[in-house]
Order: sequence, then structure tokens, then C-alpha cells
Amino acid sequence: EVQLVESGGGLVQPGGSLRLCCAASGFTFSDYWMHWVRQSPGRGPVWVSRINSDATDTWYADSVKGRFTISRDNAKNTVCLQMRSLRAADTAVYYCARELPRGVFYGMDVWGQGTTVTVSS
Amino acid sequence: IVLTQSPATLSLSPGERATLSCRSSQIIDSHLAWYQQKPGQAPRLLIYDASTRATGIPARFSGSGSGTDFTLTISSLEPEDIAVYYCQQRSNWPPPYSFGQGTKLEIK
Repeated sequence: EVQLVESGGGLVQPGGSLRLCCAASGFTFSDYWMHWVRQSPGRGPVWVSRINSDATDTWYADSVKGRFTISRDNAKNTVCLQMRSLRAADTAVYYCARELPRGVFYGMDVWGQGTTVTVSS
Repeated sequence: IVLTQSPATLSLSPGERATLSCRSSQIIDSHLAWYQQKPGQAPRLLIYDASTRATGIPARFSGSGSGTDFTLTISSLEPEDIAVYYCQQRSNWPPPYSFGQGTKLEIK
């Protein structure tokens, strides 16, 4: 079964750090770009970051650039998001998702169940 | 790139046709996907490349459009189609991805 499972969410104080990870199974992980997408309560999804198949290229939303770092380990089939200098506005459910990297936009066809990050004092 | 979805809310009866719109602030060719999201669940891919149904998606869902104007059509509403629908684009300009604000579909 194709599956993505996030972990690492929790309650953290403003200015703190948290590391989210996503474990992939059931597919050839190294064939896919991996994303983090977040969603605050009552709001739509917001794209956060993407890493390419061999971890040589990363992209970030302006709102997290310089504070978040995406990484992957193809040997362990995991992608992680290191979050620093967290703000209340970072409070959200964080999803990992995969994308098949082609000229055609195949969309994000598999998503994890999400992990909740709450930034509050 | 900003994606603007309309209407914000759509209320229809079972069996009716639903037409959801997504307009891009810049030309994105056919690099558009549609998602369905139900409460407490992750988004589910419905349509990719503007008009191709994802695996396992019922034929009543269809997508069309190219350039800046896109449409998701549900030909005959089922009660289980109650959800929020989002469009998403991929572009070559940073940031490379964005979502629309969503259309909430209600069944009368």
C-alpha cells in the first residue's frame, strides 16, 4: 500500500524549533519530488516547501524561507522539515505529499494524514 | 501566481450539475490540479494536467481549461460530493506552487 506517515508535531513556544518527518512506503521514493503543505484551521492548504528527487534542489514559500529546511534520505524513504524561529502564524496541520516530476503537472497524488503543529506560549 | 476560485459557496440538489471556476493571475498552460477535501481529511487529488482524472476518480468529475481559466464540473451531484474543492497550480516562477481559496459545495 502506498503510504505517507508524518510525525513530529506538537506544542512549541514562539521562537522554538520542531522537526517534522514523513515516512514513505509502498512506492519508489527516489522517483518523486516531495512536498510539505500546511493548513491552518478553517483555511485552505498552503504550499510550504519542495525537494527534488535527489535532494539537489529545494524551494520554499516566502513565509518560511530562512527559517525552514527541507531534507530527504532516499535510503530511509523519509523527508523531513526542520522548522526554526516558529511563530504563531506557523500553527497548522502539516502534510507531506508526493509529486511525480514530469513536464506534465501530475499534481500531488498521495498525501499523509497530517501532523499538527501548535505555536503558543 | 494567484488563483481565484468562484463561487465561494455552491448549494445544489442531488443530481444537479456543479460548475466550479478557477482563474489564474498568469498563464499556467495546463499546469493545474483540482482537489477535494472533506473535514478532518487530507486533500484528495481529483484532476491533474487540467483535464485528466486521477486514478479511481468517478467519471462524473471532469476538468477543462487552459491558460488562465479553468473549470471543474461534477455532472450529477451525489451526497458524498459535499466537500471543499481547491485548485492548485505549478509554475516556473517562484514560488512554484499555489492553491486557490476553495469552493465549498453544499447539497440542498
